[in-house]
Amino acid sequence: SAVISQKPSRDICQRGTSLTIQCQVDSQVTMMFWYRQQPGQSLTLIATANQGSEATYESGFVIDKFPISRPNLTFSTLTVSNMSPEDSSIYLCSVEVWGVSSTDTQYFGPGTRLTVL
Amino acid sequence: RKEVEQDPGPFNVPEGATVAFNCTYSNSASQSFFWYRQDCRKEPKLLMSVYSSGNEDGRFTAQLNRASQYISLLIRDSKLSDSATYLCVVNPKGGDSGGSNYKLTFGKGTLLTVNP
Repeated sequence: SAVISQKPSRDICQRGTSLTIQCQVDSQVTMMFWYRQQPGQSLTLIATANQGSEATYESGFVIDKFPISRPNLTFSTLTVSNMSPEDSSIYLCSVEVWGVSSTDTQYFGPGTRLTVL
Repeated sequence: RKEVEQDPGPFNVPEGATVAFNCTYSNSASQSFFWYRQDCRKEPKLLMSVYSSGNEDGRFTAQLNRASQYISLLIRDSKLSDSATYLCVVNPKGGDSGGSNYKLTFGKGTLLTVNP
């Protein structure tokens, strides 16, 4: 497995502002991802954070709204830009680890709970 | 049809009971399957992977039926600490879902409460 930390753990922000969330892993990993979990919903993949190139976004998510950086194999940031109350959610980063049984498994950070007023 | 669909729940069971969760998935090309548990206000944590032959880990048994596109999780002798939301998770891995080859698709989860 991997030990993943996220900062901040929670924040309350005003609409129109931006928040950058950091994700740190205790070992080098190839694949890092950002998910969103809206209240009462399950997780939705926002994008894959690629080291050395632009992130790969899922349908419905765009770089202008959710810019992502991946400067190295242990760190990534997600920015939620020009926030609105609809962005209130938990944002989670995850990493993929190749398991002992030859299956890839994703492990999640503790999440960042964002409330936009 | 939703990509991953689970029993809506919630399930309320007494300690020691056996409880089963079901899940269906729509993408027949899906390659990897998992059960995660998520405690209230916490991140999802991997409970177990699901293999075609079925697999068991202590009180937990997972089964996969590819023909029916169906996954199950059985919890025997349930404990108070088993109370959580159980998420059925599928990785299409290049199937017709589009997007990343590593995309995990999550069900909405089934809430289990084990009562003393």
